[in-house]
Amino acid sequence: QKEVEQDPGPLSVPEGAIVSLNCTYSNSAFQYFMWYRQYSRKGPELLMYTYSSGNKEDGRFTAQVDKSSKYISLFIRDSQPSDSATYLCAMTPNTNAGKSTFGDGTTLTVKP
Amino acid sequence: EAQVTQNPRYLITVTGKKLTVTCSQNMNHEYMSWYRQDPGLGLRQIYYSMNVEVTDKGDVPEGYKVSRKEKRNFPLILESPSPNQTSLYFCASSSSGTWDTQYFGPGTRLTVL
Repeated sequence: QKEVEQDPGPLSVPEGAIVSLNCTYSNSAFQYFMWYRQYSRKGPELLMYTYSSGNKEDGRFTAQVDKSSKYISLFIRDSQPSDSATYLCAMTPNTNAGKSTFGDGTTLTVKP
Repeated sequence: EAQVTQNPRYLITVTGKKLTVTCSQNMNHEYMSWYRQDPGLGLRQIYYSMNVEVTDKGDVPEGYKVSRKEKRNFPLILESPSPNQTSLYFCASSSSGTWDTQYFGPGTRLTVL
């Protein structure tokens, strides 16, 4: 069983929809949770990271962590065609950017 | 401009022929990592380095070597490549203690015949 499981997708939504991307994990030592966006043929780019449980908002993006359920989510409001990409969750027990474990990614397509 | 560079970007080689993929960053970051990305398996960490001469294994280190002799460079060495190492490889760097400074390189697509 993988330590991090991500909803596999693919996901296709109309422009303007609210998107929910989700991951579950089994290692209770994970403290830091990250979301990356990866466009086709590009390297991942860090979108958001959060520490422990709670919500963090950045523009149209909200990251949510529920450590009691070992469940994290990324919400995208007012989705745009430019949000079409693969989204990867990742997590680590450490604040230092050393070892991290990624989900397999969810591919999102936002249709105009 | 802050960036992580990788070379080569594309490489086709044969089984057993030693190769090195270079990674360089211009941000004076302490932490550097190598990942491989495969369909259905996501991004898996191969090795990471916390500073010069300090490296540690990630989840899939078998068949790979790394070295960190200079802060800016973190080469990935495949001493005897095999077809199961055909993959897309990414290098990343970040400043100590801060995940929000992490940058990934553009990737190296390696094919081992």
